Amino acid sequence: EVQLVESGGGLVQPGGSLRLSCAVSGFTLSSYWMVWVRQAPGKGLVWVSRLNRDGISTGYADSVKGRFTVSRDSAKSTLYLQMNSLRADDTAVYYCARDTGGAFPDWGQGTLVTVSS
Amino acid sequence: QSALTQPPSASGSLGQSVTISCTGTSSDVGTYNYVSWYQQHPGKAPKLMISEVSKRPSGVPDRFSGTKSGNTASLTVSGLQADDEADYYCSSYAGSNTFVFGTGTKVTVL
Repeated sequence: EVQLVESGGGLVQPGGSLRLSCAVSGFTLSSYWMVWVRQAPGKGLVWVSRLNRDGISTGYADSVKGRFTVSRDSAKSTLYLQMNSLRADDTAVYYCARDTGGAFPDWGQGTLVTVSS
Repeated sequence: QSALTQPPSASGSLGQSVTISCTGTSSDVGTYNYVSWYQQHPGKAPKLMISEVSKRPSGVPDRFSGTKSGNTASLTVSGLQADDEADYYCSSYAGSNTFVFGTGTKVTVL
């Protein structure tokens, strides 16, 4: 059974940093693209980042480029999202999802990040 | 990276059909066949309903269907059921390892 479990969310001050984790099971992390998607309270889904199967090639939304970094530890079957210089508009539930080539069939339950002083 | 445009709301009676549009540009929907549709119930993670414009994942009822013409993709839900009441989002690959989601449509079953 495929499972994705996010963790690492919480309350952080503007300008601060946070690292989200996404522990996966039921599939081999290095065999799939992976994405991060966020959803601000009461708002729609926004794609954030993608990590290619090679673990090197990445893509970012303009709104997070230069501030967020996606990576993985295949040995730990864990995907990460390092978030720096956080702003109030980064407040959202962050989901990780498995990308089977342009579609996201498997999602975690999400972790809430709140940026506030 | 502008969001794809969806109508904010759509509705239909039980047993009837509803169609949701998703309008992008020649940089995303118009070029790539990696258009997907997701259903999201309140407080839940999104669920993939359609991939690659018109493919239904295993377990998704054939009441859900997708099409694309030019820069606009569409999702049709036939034989509306109470549980179809949810938010629906389209998504498209936009090149250079990026994706874009639609603005979302709230479907109400009357």
